[in-house]
Amino acid sequence: NAGVTQTPKFRVLKTGQSMTLLCAQDMNHEYMYWYRQDPGMGLRLIHYSVGEGTTAKGEVPDGYNVSRLKKQNFLLGLESAAPSQTSVYFCASITADREETQYFGPGTRLLVL
Amino acid sequence: AQKVTQAQTEISVVEKEDVTLDCVYETRDTTYYLFWYKQPPSGELVFLIRRNSFDEQNEISGRYSWNFQKSTSSFNFTITASQVVDSAVYFCALSEVVHTSGTYKYIFGTGTRLKVLA
Repeated sequence: NAGVTQTPKFRVLKTGQSMTLLCAQDMNHEYMYWYRQDPGMGLRLIHYSVGEGTTAKGEVPDGYNVSRLKKQNFLLGLESAAPSQTSVYFCASITADREETQYFGPGTRLLVL
Repeated sequence: AQKVTQAQTEISVVEKEDVTLDCVYETRDTTYYLFWYKQPPSGELVFLIRRNSFDEQNEISGRYSWNFQKSTSSFNFTITASQVVDSAVYFCALSEVVHTSGTYKYIFGTGTRLKVLA
């Protein structure tokens, strides 16, 4: 099992460019989450999904869109990148059993110039 | 509103000292889960422990121990005889129910950076 993988690991964008971050999990988990981590802010939830074809907003959704067309993949899109979106992005997945814990991907470091 | 507070931004200790990382939470849920994660300098998030709200027993795992007190809404983490390898950022998190959908999501504290000096 690869667990949770994220693509790419690192990316530099210019303001206004778009990109998509891919999160993939091979554990058949129902729930998937996108977080961003900024210095002194901890992890903040951007969007999450409770199943294929469903998405919901988290704490800081503005400027991002997501899609969950397949159960194993959760995509995070930036339509027009801004310097404020410079951050480390983490994806996580978990079963529907609340007894379990989240499994995190290794993170994607994004720099927007 | 649900909230997790880690008031200690950064702690420095000398190797072999004991250190306690504080975590205070707020929740309306009667059933909830608390977590601790470690983020070493390499950046990945490592799960350390999960505790549900019905289990107030303290837990010990090697040099790590956790003290859960519902009366004070705290879930503190102690490292005994700290080592340089314990240097990391530690996050406390709360699992909350999304009442409109019955699903759940997680709220993280801002983290405590622990520096263990040789």
